[in-house]
Amino acid sequence: TQLLEQSPQFLSIQEGENLTVYCNSSSVFSSLQWYRQEPGEGPVLLVTVVTGGEVKKLKRLTFQFGDARKDSSLHITAAQPGDTGLYLCAGLITGGGADGLTFGKGTHLIIQP
Amino acid sequence: GAVVSQHPSWVICKSGTSVKIECRSLDFQATTMFWYRQFPKQSLMLMATSNEGSKATYEQGVEKDKFLINHASLTLSTLTVTSAHPEDSSFYICSALLAGADTQYFGPGTRLTVL
Repeated sequence: TQLLEQSPQFLSIQEGENLTVYCNSSSVFSSLQWYRQEPGEGPVLLVTVVTGGEVKKLKRLTFQFGDARKDSSLHITAAQPGDTGLYLCAGLITGGGADGLTFGKGTHLIIQP
Repeated sequence: GAVVSQHPSWVICKSGTSVKIECRSLDFQATTMFWYRQFPKQSLMLMATSNEGSKATYEQGVEKDKFLINHASLTLSTLTVTSAHPEDSSFYICSALLAGADTQYFGPGTRLTVL
């Protein structure tokens, strides 16, 4: 059973369109991270959300943490070809940081020019 | 800051041999490091948690005698894949936990191919 359900798994859209990626769980997370991974490279941290209901913006990317800290979303406005990549959500269940992250399956995003 | 390196970047070995992968935190000390494995088109799966000066904690289904982890210093953890087989071929990624925070910084990964 996947602890973190991420959807969609694959998404291909045209440049300029908007999109949302969802990360859902039945478990409560003390914090949730979003990463972007390029082929053959390690994940790069985009944002960490900690507080229920928290919204963070990173240029055209908007991240939201659900009120109950069980779900999160990533919204990209006016997608660009440079946004192409694998987006991963990952959560920490316990309050301590010394635990491994639980990753979602990832969303393979392709932005076509 | 918070840079993590891995060596080697890629390795090809024969079945039955052992391979050692290093994970280093370059500009910070990490009492805890993590080892993940990623198969093609899949997400990262946690293999084990490596704590400096103590035994590693392995996730269910990960053989501790096959994947030997040593965290001898605050900046270095090693993963040795012993008696590697083709099914061990994967992308191995480490991360280091920044002390005082709950953010993990990931290395660039090591591509292991076992022939």
